[in-house]
Amino acid sequence: AQSVSQHNHHVILSEAASLELGCNYSYGGTVNLFWYVQYPGQHLQLLLKYFSEDPLVKGIKGFEAEFIKSKFSFNLRKPSVQWSDTAEYFCAVNKGFGNEKLTFGTGTRLTIIP
Amino acid sequence: DAGVIQSPRHEVTEMGQEVTLRCKPISGHDYLFWYRQTMMRGLELLIYFNNNVPIDDSGMPEDRFSAKMPNASFSTLKIQPSEPRDSAVYFCASRYTSGSSYNEQFFGPGTRLTVL
Repeated sequence: AQSVSQHNHHVILSEAASLELGCNYSYGGTVNLFWYVQYPGQHLQLLLKYFSEDPLVKGIKGFEAEFIKSKFSFNLRKPSVQWSDTAEYFCAVNKGFGNEKLTFGTGTRLTIIP
Repeated sequence: DAGVIQSPRHEVTEMGQEVTLRCKPISGHDYLFWYRQTMMRGLELLIYFNNNVPIDDSGMPEDRFSAKMPNASFSTLKIQPSEPRDSAVYFCASRYTSGSSYNEQFFGPGTRLTVL
């Protein structure tokens, strides 16, 4: 069964620091990849998605992610974080067209210190 | 667009009671998903529907859980009887089919269930 690993459970950064959150998946075929964000008390929202185009994907709020097929990774990055980025971040994988299941990682809690 | 609507937002019940969670997907969306989120297991897919038909319920933990979608604008997730280990946040999500692209799932605000 496919799985998604997010190795950083809790990350604490100061404002303006650079961010990189790791995501690795286990499925070897065609995949669609997503990063969702859950702000405190809110529902999940899509940050960005990869659908077999440019491996460097740009999302909302200055976030980007790079798909590295050889490493089965889809790490999330932001060059300079803000206090408002405090949230929980989830990586998710879908096996490709025709398979509707979205498998989520366990999430990374990001705390930004002003 | 109001987004995905879930009710109730919070539910506190006693062990053994029946619990019904409700979801209204975004109009025009043909897929509906039910997820459960816990600290221990993260976000798990329980079941999903396509055009009101259940497609995959392999994530439903046991027979105490059941889900229905009587029409395109309404779905329920029922737990009977409820147990303390069912305490979690239950999310509903919906998406639409568009050509060959996989479109994002839009999530509701969730129902926080506490079983005492």
